[in-house]
Amino acid sequence: AQSVSQHNHHVILSEAASLELGCNYSYGGTVNLFWYVQYPGQHLQLLLKYFSGDPLVKGIKGFEAEFIKSKFSFNLRKPSVQWSDTAEYFCAVLPMDSNYQLIWGAGTKLIIKP
Amino acid sequence: DGGITQSPKYLFRKEGQNVTLSCEQNLNHDAMYWYRQDPGQGLRLIYYSQIVNDFQKGDIAEGYSVSREKKESFPLTVTSAQKNPTAFYLCASSPWTGHDGELFFGEGSRLTVL
Repeated sequence: AQSVSQHNHHVILSEAASLELGCNYSYGGTVNLFWYVQYPGQHLQLLLKYFSGDPLVKGIKGFEAEFIKSKFSFNLRKPSVQWSDTAEYFCAVLPMDSNYQLIWGAGTKLIIKP
Repeated sequence: DGGITQSPKYLFRKEGQNVTLSCEQNLNHDAMYWYRQDPGQGLRLIYYSQIVNDFQKGDIAEGYSVSREKKESFPLTVTSAQKNPTAFYLCASSPWTGHDGELFFGEGSRLTVL
């Protein structure tokens, strides 16, 4: 079965630390890839997305993600986190088959200590 | 402002009662979705609708029902048959199913069964 795995359920960092959140998926075909973010008390929103082309994509608020096809990975990165990055981050994959339904990772709760 | 409105934000229900969660969108999107979010499990698809008067079961449809009588509205009923209804419910929309996969979310409804 298709699945998305996020390696860490909880991450705690200090401000200015670098961030990398892992995401791996199991699907051999073409995919669209997403990172969504849910800030406390707010709705889930798109952080960045990858469809094709340059495997390094940039999103809002200084986040970026790299698609490594050979590793089935789409890791999220940010060089220097801020307290306002405290949120839950979800990786999602859209297999480009007839179903067209997103497959979601379990989420990573990120806490940034001021 | 364009967006998705879910109500109520918080809802308490006694065992054996049905409850209906409202979802309205003014984005003129064709497709609408209901997800359930449980801690550590990511988002699971309950039902989705690609067009008015049509909807399909997702991965966890048992104990739930929906209707799509209007393009803007996609209410979800949690029936007494749902064995573990306490959860956070998210409504989403997209221009159409098979779109690039980006979803737009409401702020969610938290249902607690007493």
